[in-house]
Amino acid sequence: EDKVVQSPLSLVVHEGDTVTLNCSYEVTNFRSLLWYKQEKKAPTFLFMLTSSGIEKKSGRLSSILDKKELFSILNITATQTGDSAVYLCAVGYNDMRFGAGTRLTVKP
Amino acid sequence: GAVVSQHPSRVICKSGTSVKIECRSLDFQATTMFWYRQFPKQSLMLMATSNEGSKATYEQGVEKDKFLINHASLTLSTLTVTSAHPEDSSFYICSIEAGGPHEQFFGPGTRLTVL
Repeated sequence: EDKVVQSPLSLVVHEGDTVTLNCSYEVTNFRSLLWYKQEKKAPTFLFMLTSSGIEKKSGRLSSILDKKELFSILNITATQTGDSAVYLCAVGYNDMRFGAGTRLTVKP
Repeated sequence: GAVVSQHPSRVICKSGTSVKIECRSLDFQATTMFWYRQFPKQSLMLMATSNEGSKATYEQGVEKDKFLINHASLTLSTLTVTSAHPEDSSFYICSIEAGGPHEQFFGPGTRLTVL
């Protein structure tokens, strides 16, 4: 059975801290791993990763994939209160399996 | 986290037929469930918010007569694709709202193929 496991489930930090969110997976067919940020009803797309070792970066957010060890990390540097959200990862080929998410709370 | 199941996981149907997809919350009473459609590569489109005991709230551009949603109990919501056409072929995912605000738990999805 396909599995996507995110850790930690929740995290509380202060503004300016750096956080690392983890996503590990076991899926039958892999094409990509996606990261989403969920603040309102629908998740907002952040990154799509398909190859190992290539860092994707957008502002203070970055992510990398390790296809050998079957995991990805999402880094957020210099966190702000606006980064507070649930971060989801999804893995698969055409059909994506979602993890349970990591709830990040950034305190002022 | 909450456990969500969907049935069926895959369905193939002929054009013009209707298909029902079930979303069940196995260990949480879900007042609110969401239905998404996943487009190739990355985007996840919210179709509607399903509220137990009341009418679903559809997002702009989603035909309510085409995609019928029934949230009959706190553990079950159904999406019926009526008179399906090949362009309706997609991956449909449901989620429930549980725990904190904006905290959703996703089902495994249903792959619909319309021939």
